Amino acid sequence: DAKTTQPPSMDCAEGRAANLPCNHSTISGNEYVYWYRQIHSQGPQYIIHGLKNNETNEMASLIITEDRKSSTLILPHATLRDTAVYYCIVRPFNAGGTSYGKLTFGQGTILTVHP
Amino acid sequence: DADVTQTPRNRITKTGKRIMLECSQTKGHDRMYWYRQDPGLGLRLIYYSFDVKDINKGEISDGYSVSRQAQAKFSLSLESAIPNQTALYFCATSGEDRGRRGEQFFGPGTRLTVL
Repeated sequence: DAKTTQPPSMDCAEGRAANLPCNHSTISGNEYVYWYRQIHSQGPQYIIHGLKNNETNEMASLIITEDRKSSTLILPHATLRDTAVYYCIVRPFNAGGTSYGKLTFGQGTILTVHP
Repeated sequence: DADVTQTPRNRITKTGKRIMLECSQTKGHDRMYWYRQDPGLGLRLIYYSFDVKDINKGEISDGYSVSRQAQAKFSLSLESAIPNQTALYFCATSGEDRGRRGEQFFGPGTRLTVL
């Protein structure tokens, strides 16, 4: 699996956009980019994923560069409850359309949202 | 009620004891996983199971064993616990990857301390 590089920590003011970067320069063509977050020792929670197009859901937006070597998770209006560890993960899918199922977690980015 | 439950939530035991951590899910998923998390680190995969008859080792399976008693139940055992197995343990499930989402749903975690 491709490795990811994330800054160890970031701060964000409440109500502002939080932009969390991730480098995955060795990503392969059959690998998706996933983001999960973990709030204070709770189980990780899925946020969003993408292949090469930008994606948006009710939680966040994912911007993937054209060469797919990096991506940015955007929380448009961060709240105090968004304080968490954010994990960027690349994950392969096979040609049959089913995943290998495994997630490989790095150390993530500790996002602190302050008032 | 929670979709993925883990018992016990907290356990303190002594070196050499046999310990079993249990995971149950009501999501109807075929795939189940066990991870451990050490302080300040991401999650590491111990074992995973894609169905009742399929058990696979993850990256850190030494010292652990698992049992998939039914589709909904996946147990992790420490045959002879040692202090460096002190960690937070998470169970997760995932279903068929329709649309290549492949989201994993995590339980609340079991905090295990081996003295």
